[in-house]
Amino acid sequence: SYELTQPPSLSVSPGQTASISCSGDKLGDKYVSWYQQKPGQSPVLVIYQDTKRPSGIPERFSGSNSGNTATLTIGGTQPMDEADYYCQAWDISTGVFGPGTKVTVL
Amino acid sequence: QLQLQESGPGLVKPSETLSLTCTVSGGSISTSNCYWGWIRQPPGKGLEWIGSIYHSGSTYYNPSLKSRVTISVDTSKNQFSLKLTSVIAADTAVYYCARHYRDGGYLTGSYFDYWGQGILVTVSS
Repeated sequence: SYELTQPPSLSVSPGQTASISCSGDKLGDKYVSWYQQKPGQSPVLVIYQDTKRPSGIPERFSGSNSGNTATLTIGGTQPMDEADYYCQAWDISTGVFGPGTKVTVL
Repeated sequence: QLQLQESGPGLVKPSETLSLTCTVSGGSISTSNCYWGWIRQPPGKGLEWIGSIYHSGSTYYNPSLKSRVTISVDTSKNQFSLKLTSVIAADTAVYYCARHYRDGGYLTGSYFDYWGQGILVTVSS
């Protein structure tokens, strides 16, 4: 079965750039979505189709996807961005989520 | 604004069937390109897609759960439902329903853009 890999955790200082990777075999041939989940809340879509931002998502969130790695970048990270982030892709007709990356802003 | 709300028992006994319903408000469940999905999250763990359904009744399921899962839709009530049979402790999770938007109708590039608040289902005797 298809698997996505993410680093378990990432620490970033306020105002700095956070880059969260998501790896999978030939992931660049698929579209990737990213979800933000804060404690006790439902996930929120922050990036879809590799690079697109839904309405209401700040411009500091951006995405890329090439080769075997997709990346979610948070430019000028703010304390409110502290959350778990999950990548997601489709392999044939199966939805696959990455294990998640906990982003700490300190 | 589209809203989704899960409902159902919060406690299910082992070997029994977990049954949940998602009620969609603020929009029609029969909207084109909109599938409707279930995703779960065990306590302290990551997300797992369970399956999705179209208003026509067309479904697709996670192969790891397919033998135990049935998702159905009731367009007259603007609801869709999940049944998971023969549950075990490992099925304890927060279950989310979500709108699964398929841009242009294609699965690749589809995404979950509206989520319910989630419901914790515990499997225990």
